[in-house]
Amino acid sequence: DQQVKQNSPSLSVQEGRISILNCDYTNSMFDYFLWYKKYPAEGPTFLISISSIKDKNEDGRFTVFLNKSAKHLSLHIVPSQPGDSAVYFCAGYSGGSNYKLTFGKGTLLTVNP
Amino acid sequence: EADIYQTPRYLVIGTGKKITLECSQTMGHDKMYWYQQDPGMELHLIHYSYGVNSTEKGDLSSESTVSRIRTEHFPLTLESARPSHTSQYLCASSGQAYEQYFGPGTRLTVT
Repeated sequence: DQQVKQNSPSLSVQEGRISILNCDYTNSMFDYFLWYKKYPAEGPTFLISISSIKDKNEDGRFTVFLNKSAKHLSLHIVPSQPGDSAVYFCAGYSGGSNYKLTFGKGTLLTVNP
Repeated sequence: EADIYQTPRYLVIGTGKKITLECSQTMGHDKMYWYQQDPGMELHLIHYSYGVNSTEKGDLSSESTVSRIRTEHFPLTLESARPSHTSQYLCASSGQAYEQYFGPGTRLTVT
């Protein structure tokens, strides 16, 4: 059973517009949620995280929103740039999981010039 | 900037060969991880280590083995490669915080 779900395999947006990447989870024990960005043939790069006791965290162009009641989080990128084109992974972390992360399948974001 | 290295970056090898994928980190992290990822799929944890002489199997069963003799080094070995082992292998490490830092990965193709 997938504990972290990214139901949109791909998303295409125009440069300068907002990109919204969504993630749903089923494990109520997650303490933190993380977003990673991955280019082809490279390893994932940590982008931003949010504690389960927060509802928003912002870092530059990236903002993550958490809705605990809906078990849903989203990553907003504003404004989107062509260099943001990559696969974005959502991951959950539970302190009781022995430091393990649980990843979703990722969403391929394409930002068109 | 995370300093975690993996070699080789790409490997094409024949069935039945023994291979070792190298992973090293210079951040002094005690925890290290190996993930396997296929295109369009999530990262699956196959091995992890909390420190020297500590190794554990991950959530996805794997025929590979690992060792942790030094803090900075966490190699993964396949005794007899098969086409089903074709995948991308990602190494990661973490310190006191929950963020994991990833290496560039090894793309393995077994023919």
